Formats: sequence, structure tokens, C-alpha cells
Amino acid sequence: DVKVTQSSRYLVKRTGEKVFLECVQDMDHENMFWYRQDPGLGLRLIYFSYDVKMKEKGDIPEGYSVSREKKERFSLILESASTNQTSMYLCASSLSASGSYEQYFGPGTRLTVT
Amino acid sequence: AQKVTQAQTEISVVEKEDVTLDCVYETRDTTYYLFWYKQPPSGELVFLIRRNSFDEQNEISGRYSWNFQKSTSSFNFTITASQVVDSAVYFCALSEARYGGATNKLIFGTGTLLAVQP
Repeated sequence: DVKVTQSSRYLVKRTGEKVFLECVQDMDHENMFWYRQDPGLGLRLIYFSYDVKMKEKGDIPEGYSVSREKKERFSLILESASTNQTSMYLCASSLSASGSYEQYFGPGTRLTVT
Repeated sequence: AQKVTQAQTEISVVEKEDVTLDCVYETRDTTYYLFWYKQPPSGELVFLIRRNSFDEQNEISGRYSWNFQKSTSSFNFTITASQVVDSAVYFCALSEARYGGATNKLIFGTGTLLAVQP
């Protein structure tokens, strides 16, 4: 079974802090994704990566950056956390860039910025 | 523009009732994929099914069935004899098309919260 793990289930940070969310997958997948989930808005794509050191902006990249130094690990960075970044963050991976492959999700990190 | 609409925000049923979750999509591409995911209270999205645009056969998996109709751009999900464990948020998604092919970027609907009462 594919396993996608995220470093924390719950996180509380202060405004202005730099925040790192880590995601690891164990199935040698090429693609990795970061989403945020907010009530009434569904899942919105922040960034994705289709290879090591490669990244592409999603629909809402502002205020975020990402890092993919190793194939299995994809990090989301909030450079200076703000209260409007309080949300559920979900990481996902998929085998390749083809649209035929499903994405596998981690358990999510609920981030609260105070 | 591509879009997925799940008009039902919340549905509440009593155990053993059948329930259908609606999904309507918009795309101008001929090649695309549709997905359903389940998000139980634990939070992790679980993949349920994938359908490609060239296969309109309905699919049944146990108590779950899916009805894909290109004519109405719909991909509806029916749970027969619902159970309390079916309580979750269900998301429909469409693969984004770019450069003539379907990519792995997904466009999600806003989800339908299904509550199954005992």
C-alpha cells in the first residue's frame, strides 16, 4: 500500500513565524502535491512537483514556497505565517504526470496561526 | 474553463436508505478523467474510483455504484443500503487537461457531507 505521511497532525504557530510542513511518500512516485482545504472551498492546489528540484505553482501559491530535494520528500514552507493561512493542509502523491493516475493523500496537518 | 460542481452541500439519511451524490463537470477536452474520493472524519482522502472519458460503462463495487453520462456531463455516485461508516465528505474531481492531454492536476468539487444516522 502507498503510504503518504505528514510530519504533524496539528500545529499552532504565531503570526510571522516561518513554518515547515513535511511530507514523505514511500512508493517512488514522481508527482507530489500540496493542497489546502477550507470549508466550502474544497481542495485548492498550492504547489506541485513532478521531479526532484522541479516545482510548479498551483492555483494559490502566494505566501508559500516548496522544496523537493529528494524524490520521496516534499516540503511546504510558509515564509511568514499569517492568520489567513489557518487551514487544513493535505499532501498527495501520484505515480506520474498522466491524468490517469490517482493521487494518494496523507492524513493532513491542521495548522492554526494565532 | 474546467469546473466541478457538487451542488449538494450536506445530505442526511437514515441507515439502509439509498443515497445519490451528484457531480457535474465542465470541460472542453475530449480526454479527461473523473475521480471520487472519500474523506472520513479522520481526515485522510481515500481514492474510490477513476473513470476515463471514453468509458461510459457504469461501475458497481459492492454497495457503491457510479453513473457516468457524458450527455449531461455528470458522474453521480450512489450508495445502496447506506451504513453509519459511510458518513464522510465525498469529493468529485476532474483531471486538468493541458497541451491536449489530461494531466495529473485535479480540479475538485467543494464536496458533499454525508451523514448516515443509525
